[in-house]
Amino acid sequence: KQEVTQIPAALSVPEGENLVLNCSFTDSAIYNLQWFRQDPGKGLTSLLLIQSSQREQTSGRLNASLDKSSGRSTLYIAASQPGDSATYLCAAAPTSGTYKYIFGTGTRLKVLA
Amino acid sequence: DGGITQSPKYLFRKEGQNVTLSCEQNLNHDAMYWYRQDPGQGLRLIYYSQIVNDFQKGDIAEGYSVSREKKESFPLTVTSAQKNPTAFYLCASSPQFGGSFGYGYTFGSGTRLTVV
Repeated sequence: KQEVTQIPAALSVPEGENLVLNCSFTDSAIYNLQWFRQDPGKGLTSLLLIQSSQREQTSGRLNASLDKSSGRSTLYIAASQPGDSATYLCAAAPTSGTYKYIFGTGTRLKVLA
Repeated sequence: DGGITQSPKYLFRKEGQNVTLSCEQNLNHDAMYWYRQDPGQGLRLIYYSQIVNDFQKGDIAEGYSVSREKKESFPLTVTSAQKNPTAFYLCASSPQFGGSFGYGYTFGSGTRLTVV
């Protein structure tokens, strides 16, 4: 059964720092992996979607990588800003079973001004 | 712009009462999902629907019911049988079911349900 883990659960960094958020999954047989951002009391906003055949995707200051063989994805945020403060979740879509996305519990990021 | 609309944003339920959460999408997506989010826990799947007039139980379906009479709409009813309904409820959709065929999920803004 696919399990998705995000460590650390919380992270505080000073403004301007480059940072990496980690997402690990136990079964490498995935269709794709999606990164989301969630602000307090809000829904999930899609940031990046990486297909299984891709190694990375970029959007502005965000870069997500995927290494299926090691069961890892990382979300790189360049030059962090206070507005980046939110919870970041990853979700993996397995190729077997019912194909439903499996979500991690998220990393709560706080960028200090 | 296309998207998913959840209403209401806040909902209060009295003990023994059924309440219905609305989810409407104009993305022409076939699949829709309901998730429950509790503090410190990941998203848990309540129900999902691959196509109109079809739906399946997720991991925590007890005390909930759904219908899918129209492609655009997937309402969730929280029944009195749900003993701990206070949570944040999220609706999502995808062009095709699950993460297959390379499509991701789009989420609504959520409904916060509180038992009073």
